[in-house]
Amino acid sequence: DTAVSQTPKYLVTQMGNDKSIKCEQNLGHDTMYWYKQDSKKFLKIMFSYNNKELIINETVPNRFSPKSPDKAHLNLHINSLELGDSAVYFCASSQGKGTGFRETQYFGPGTRLLVL
Amino acid sequence: GDSVTQMEGPVTLSEEAFLTINCTYTATGYPSLFWYVQYPGEGLQLLLKATKADDKGSNKGFEATYRKETTSFHLEKGSVQVSDSAVYFCALSDYQGAQKLVFGQGTRLTINP
Repeated sequence: DTAVSQTPKYLVTQMGNDKSIKCEQNLGHDTMYWYKQDSKKFLKIMFSYNNKELIINETVPNRFSPKSPDKAHLNLHINSLELGDSAVYFCASSQGKGTGFRETQYFGPGTRLLVL
Repeated sequence: GDSVTQMEGPVTLSEEAFLTINCTYTATGYPSLFWYVQYPGEGLQLLLKATKADDKGSNKGFEATYRKETTSFHLEKGSVQVSDSAVYFCALSDYQGAQKLVFGQGTRLTINP
């Protein structure tokens, strides 16, 4: 069974469109995250949620809106896509409240987004 | 703010060679340290971690020791295999309230047979 899954795996779209990426974890974890990996492989956190509550919101354009319908799911909706949004987006999850700095984060396979 | 610096890649070695990937960090607190690996076309997998000074994390023949005095967490393996070819990320998580991983820039490793 896949622990952290994301859909779709690949997403190719036009500038200006709105798209969503879905993430689900079956680990029973309370905290979920979104990270962005740019073309140079640099990874940076975007958001984290604990039990449907937003904990971290790094300096991300408000075109990006995370939504957590329950603690097993964290979706990422992106409005008015721009060329610079092209990246790989990783979902992750960890046990606990998201304030334990020793917690291990488990990552999904990533969603490769290409904006044309 | 917190940061992680890894040795520049790419790194190319022959099979059975000794591997070291350097990682140093800057943190305001007392962080936990991690190595993640990303195989081609896949997501990140935790390779090993250490949560306090002098702890040694190990997995699959890889080792790294948390050195507080030198703020380092270098990754080593005594004899690499072709299957170790991947991108390796050093990361830290500091006690600053909400947990987040701060990653280094990644080091691409290629092992030739």
